[in-house]
Amino acid sequence: GQNIDQPTEMTATEGAIVQINCTYQTSGFNGLFWYQQHAGEAPTFLSYNVLDGLEEKGRFSSFLSRSKGYSYLLLKELQMKDSASYLCATLAGANNLFFGTGTRLTVIP
Amino acid sequence: DAGVIQSPRHEVTEMGQEVTLRCKPISGHDYLFWYRQTMMRGLELLIYFNNNVPIDDSGMPEDRFSAKMPNASFSTLKIQPSEPRDSAVYFCASSPGGSGNTIYFGEGSWLTVV
Repeated sequence: GQNIDQPTEMTATEGAIVQINCTYQTSGFNGLFWYQQHAGEAPTFLSYNVLDGLEEKGRFSSFLSRSKGYSYLLLKELQMKDSASYLCATLAGANNLFFGTGTRLTVIP
Repeated sequence: DAGVIQSPRHEVTEMGQEVTLRCKPISGHDYLFWYRQTMMRGLELLIYFNNNVPIDDSGMPEDRFSAKMPNASFSTLKIQPSEPRDSAVYFCASSPGGSGNTIYFGEGSWLTVV
């Protein structure tokens, strides 16, 4: 079976750093994705981790610990445009993405 | 490059009517996915195709839902008859396939059944 837990909502201040956590239970783990979804829009790809450790991409970084079933997305130098939902998803098999319900991040001035 | 194209973007229909949602995947992508998104349940995979063949339809809620992919550039998701609880955003997505390959989403079809 598949299960993903992430906080429902978070609030952070412009310019700050925020960490969004994700814990998962899955069979046949083949990697973990983070997607960003602005209200009324489609999810867009942010990051993919298949090995343990930190992947950095500009202001965004993603971390994975397979033994702990844990990942986080780190957003630095927050901007107002970062207000969105952040979806954690596990890859089961080669192509089947299972999504969590997402974390709605609000960035305040 | 054109992304995943869905139509209609918005549809309001009466309970009992047939609804057909359409999708054109990104050219060259071998995998096509239909997802449904609601506030309560988030993004749920309904069905996916590989090279036009349905691989996993275990997420299709019930017999009222059906999906087809007659060729590599077109897929439909049909709900007949529709019910108010089917109100959701339906996303089509495609992927070139292979582990770790990104899934690209269309803009979604916003369905309201009254």
